[in-house]
Amino acid sequence: AQKITQTQPGMFVQEKEAVTLDCTYDTSDPSYGLFWYKQPSSGEMIFLIYQGSYDQQNATEGRYSLNFQKARKSANLVISASQLGDSAMYFCAMRGPMDSSYKLIFGSGTRLLVRP
Amino acid sequence: SQTIHQWPATLVQPVGSPLSLECTVEGTSNPNLYWYRQAAGRGLQLLFYSVGIGQISSEVPQNLSASRPQDRQFILSSKKLLLSDSGFYLCAWSTLAGALTGELFFGEGSRLTVL
Repeated sequence: AQKITQTQPGMFVQEKEAVTLDCTYDTSDPSYGLFWYKQPSSGEMIFLIYQGSYDQQNATEGRYSLNFQKARKSANLVISASQLGDSAMYFCAMRGPMDSSYKLIFGSGTRLLVRP
Repeated sequence: SQTIHQWPATLVQPVGSPLSLECTVEGTSNPNLYWYRQAAGRGLQLLFYSVGIGQISSEVPQNLSASRPQDRQFILSSKKLLLSDSGFYLCAWSTLAGALTGELFFGEGSRLTVL
């Protein structure tokens, strides 16, 4: 069965510094996708970044990059030059087996607080 | 552009009462639709998804049900609420391609408190 683990319930980072949010996953499916979502205090979920299991390069989207280490089954999110608006919950997620590829399995989240 | 709306935003219901949460999508046709639940301090759990009118897949056995009476309408219901139904309910949509890449677009959420 697929599983996503986020071991950091909360983190602090100083404004303008970089921060890494950890995510490990477990799956026996050779084809899968990994994602990160941001949930501000308002509650909506915002898609940030996607990494396919066969992608050769790490995904990047602006200040977000995904540090994909397939052998370690980790998909850490790196946020560069943190801003106050980055304070939010961050969820790592994985697409399930291809026969039910519509499902996203979410981790428990990491609450990030950016200090001025 | 595409938009998604769900309502009500907040509701407080007694145990045993019925529930109806509604979600509509505009600006796209034949979307995949999803209902997720987020318990306090937890991640999201997929409850239902639908790939077309009248096609509902349930992921978790529970006293909730979902219906898709129209292409862009998704309804979450219960005949009798339980205390454990409290949580933050999120409706989402995706294109078929988005379903594969995990790019879901979420509504504003509905916070349900069952007393």
